Amino acid sequence: GAVVSQHPSWVICKSGTSVKIECRSLDFQATTMFWYRQFPKQSLMLMATSNEGSKATYEQGVEKDKFLINHASLTLSTLTVTSAHPEDSSFYICSAAERGATYEQYFGPGTRLTVT
Amino acid sequence: GEDVEQSLFLSVREGDSSVINCTYTDSSSTYLYWYKQEPGAGLQLLTYIFSNMDMKQDQRLTVLLNKKDKHLSLRIADTQTGDSAIYFCAEMVRGGYNKLIFGAGTRLAVHP
Repeated sequence: GAVVSQHPSWVICKSGTSVKIECRSLDFQATTMFWYRQFPKQSLMLMATSNEGSKATYEQGVEKDKFLINHASLTLSTLTVTSAHPEDSSFYICSAAERGATYEQYFGPGTRLTVT
Repeated sequence: GEDVEQSLFLSVREGDSSVINCTYTDSSSTYLYWYKQEPGAGLQLLTYIFSNMDMKQDQRLTVLLNKKDKHLSLRIADTQTGDSAIYFCAEMVRGGYNKLIFGAGTRLAVHP
């Protein structure tokens, strides 16, 4: 149980285009989803937290107009990187938690984004 | 502020025990976690401990928490080559959404 999937697992896009990454909870209802970014050989940095049906809460320094997060259902959250640039290339990982259980987050396998 | 620190690298012989250490700064941490990440993959939750506990054991894994010193350790007994990975320590800090703060990760290399 508690499986989280991400799609795509990797994507290459041209500078200036937008890319959408999906995060799905497969066997539970995720009222809260988290989006992280991981640079090579570094730790995970929380970008934003989203609750189903609400606007996302972004961490300091994360541009909300560049990283659009939508959490429209209890099993799906999307992260859209708008007008991507090479410096946005990174590994993006989502995690999901059930209502009242944010102490137990389940992580997706990650999406590697390369912007050329 | 919120900060989690770990040593970056640990090398052990197969069959020995591995001990990975972590220190954190936020005294209001509620839960502390150990995650495992294999190359190119997401994070696998190994175990977690509530802040009012001082030890938790789960098969080959033993977590020790010294709340006074804000020190957390993960002991892996009988380390195998399949245990080679990066291990992240994380603390959950109180807040609107109980966010996780991760350490930089400890790369564990297991050699024959």
